[in-house]
Amino acid sequence: DAKTTQPTSMDCAEGRAANLPCNHSTISGNEYVYWYRQIHSQGPQYIIHGLKNNETNEMASLIITEDRKSSTLILPHATLRDTAVYYCIVRVGRKQGGSEKLVFGKGTKLTVNP
Amino acid sequence: DGGITQSPKYLFRKEGQNVTLSCEQNLNHDAMYWYRQDPGQGLRLIYYSQIVNDFQKGDIAEGYSVSREKKESFPLTVTSAQKNPTAFYLCASLHGSSYNEQFFGPGTRLTVL
Repeated sequence: DAKTTQPTSMDCAEGRAANLPCNHSTISGNEYVYWYRQIHSQGPQYIIHGLKNNETNEMASLIITEDRKSSTLILPHATLRDTAVYYCIVRVGRKQGGSEKLVFGKGTKLTVNP
Repeated sequence: DGGITQSPKYLFRKEGQNVTLSCEQNLNHDAMYWYRQDPGQGLRLIYYSQIVNDFQKGDIAEGYSVSREKKESFPLTVTSAQKNPTAFYLCASLHGSSYNEQFFGPGTRLTVL
């Protein structure tokens, strides 16, 4: 699975959009981009995933560059409860014969300030 | 409500004792996973199981053992052979064919004194 690079930490004002970047320059054609978040002392929570098209759900939007070497997770109106560590992971989808493993790096610590 | 439960949330043991962490899911998921997380670090895979009565080692299986006698249950035993057992342990599950995202339990924080 390709490796990812994320900033160690970011701050965002409550009510503003939080844009979390992720670099995955070695991503291969059949690898998806996944985002999870982990609130302190809880289990990680799935947010969103995508292959090459931009994706949106009730939690966030995922913007993937055309060359797929980077992506941005957007929380459109951040709240204090969005303070968490956000993990960007790339892997081959399980239905496409990908590994069972999710390789979690250290992620980005997002702090939403009042 | 469907979900994954881990018990207990906090666990204390003396050094040299084996301890078993519970993980139960009622999501009818085929695959289950155990991860370990140390402070300020990402998750590392200990063991995983794709079907009942079958499991595979992850990246850090030494000192741990698992069983998968029922689809709903995947207990993890931390043995005395695990040199640094104090950590946050997370269990996860995944539907067999339709979905790609793993669902995580709330975790068990194990402290070995």
